[in-house]
Amino acid sequence: GDSVTQMEGPVTLSEEAFLTINCTYTATGYPSLFWYVQYPGEGLQLLLKATKADDKGSNKGFEATYRKETTSFHLEKGSVQVSDSAVYFCALNGPTSYDKVIFGPGTSLSVIP
Amino acid sequence: DAGVIQSPRHEVTEMGQEVTLRCKPISGHDYLFWYRQTMMRGLELLIYFNNNVPIDDSGMPEDRFSAKMPNASFSTLKIQPSEPRDSAVYFCASSLGRATYNSPLHFGNGTRLTVT
Repeated sequence: GDSVTQMEGPVTLSEEAFLTINCTYTATGYPSLFWYVQYPGEGLQLLLKATKADDKGSNKGFEATYRKETTSFHLEKGSVQVSDSAVYFCALNGPTSYDKVIFGPGTSLSVIP
Repeated sequence: DAGVIQSPRHEVTEMGQEVTLRCKPISGHDYLFWYRQTMMRGLELLIYFNNNVPIDDSGMPEDRFSAKMPNASFSTLKIQPSEPRDSAVYFCASSLGRATYNSPLHFGNGTRLTVT
């Protein structure tokens, strides 16, 4: 079945550092890919998405490019802030997922001043 | 927009008791999902509804769990009897349209359940 793998956390960075969170997926066909973010004490919210190969999703300074050849969707940000501290989830919806969104295990990010 | 509203935010109960979690989706949304989040298993989809009809409950762990959606603005997840291993954060999410159409999920703030 469809699945998502993410780099293990927690990740701790200093403010203004460069962020990469790796995500790879396994899916039949061509899924849509998402990054969701969960701030402390809250539910998940959509951060960005890409629906086809080579698409780049972007929002709030975060970017991720849909790489079909490597089945990856790595999240990047050039300069993180303390307010970016959260748990980040890579997710997909594929042709065989129907109405389900499949989430990865999440990667916890802490940004220190 | 009030967002997805879940209640209660925290629930502490003793093993064997019945627990009912409640969810009010965003008005007009036609899909509703119940997820469970634990450190060990991450985010698991338990069941989802489309237009108040349960579509897939294959993620419901066992018969102790049941979910209903009597109308478009309300859903419940019930655990009877509860066990310590049910301790988790339970999220409700709703969406307008199918996931296959890339409709984003809107999550509530969750209910943290502790069963002692």
